[in-house]
Amino acid sequence: EAQVTQNPRYLITVTGKKLTVTCSQNMNHEYMSWYRQDPGLGLRQIYYSMNVEVTDKGDVPEGYKVSRKEKRNFPLILESPSPNQTSLYFCASSSRMEGPEAFFGQGTRLTVV
Amino acid sequence: AQSVTQLDSHVSVSEGTPVLLRCNYSSSYSPSLFWYVQHPNKGLQLLLKYTSAATLVKGINGFEAEFKKSETSFHLTKPSAHMSDAAEYFCVGMEYGNKLVFGAGTILRVKS
Repeated sequence: EAQVTQNPRYLITVTGKKLTVTCSQNMNHEYMSWYRQDPGLGLRQIYYSMNVEVTDKGDVPEGYKVSRKEKRNFPLILESPSPNQTSLYFCASSSRMEGPEAFFGQGTRLTVV
Repeated sequence: AQSVTQLDSHVSVSEGTPVLLRCNYSSSYSPSLFWYVQHPNKGLQLLLKYTSAATLVKGINGFEAEFKKSETSFHLTKPSAHMSDAAEYFCVGMEYGNKLVFGAGTILRVKS
């Protein structure tokens, strides 16, 4: 089954404790991206990747890092989480040749206290 | 850069009546446009997509959308609302590099 898998689904952490949210897709898509969803602000892009080793900032990249060492994986790293990063996070993948619609993971609800 | 505007933040309809969710876009080229639905505590599911083919696009669960270049609109419609349609709906454009541009979302409420 074609899918985008995020882990964990829920996470509560403390300020300053590094964390990683994983994202994996099994569709061989070249494009992957991360979004955060906040009430009243909709979904905003954090980072995106057009292929392996190619990443770029989205609209709200501050406080986040990403890497794309393999085509299927695109982890989101919070080096020093702060309460303003409490949000619902979505990973998405797509392919220019096979879509181009994006497929989304189920989301990760992160709370930073 | 492309922008997407959803004209209503909330829409309320009675079960069995038509649904209209409005979306306008701006783009310097022929856009790819999508409608996604998000049910509470769920991810985003694709309803339908427009990619420069037929201007009237049919999607899942009886939804349709019409691309009108002259009006720069891509409104979502359904002839008869069901209770299960209650959710948040996003109109989404796609830029170069498959970057998604989201509208702010419309929350659809269906009254019994």
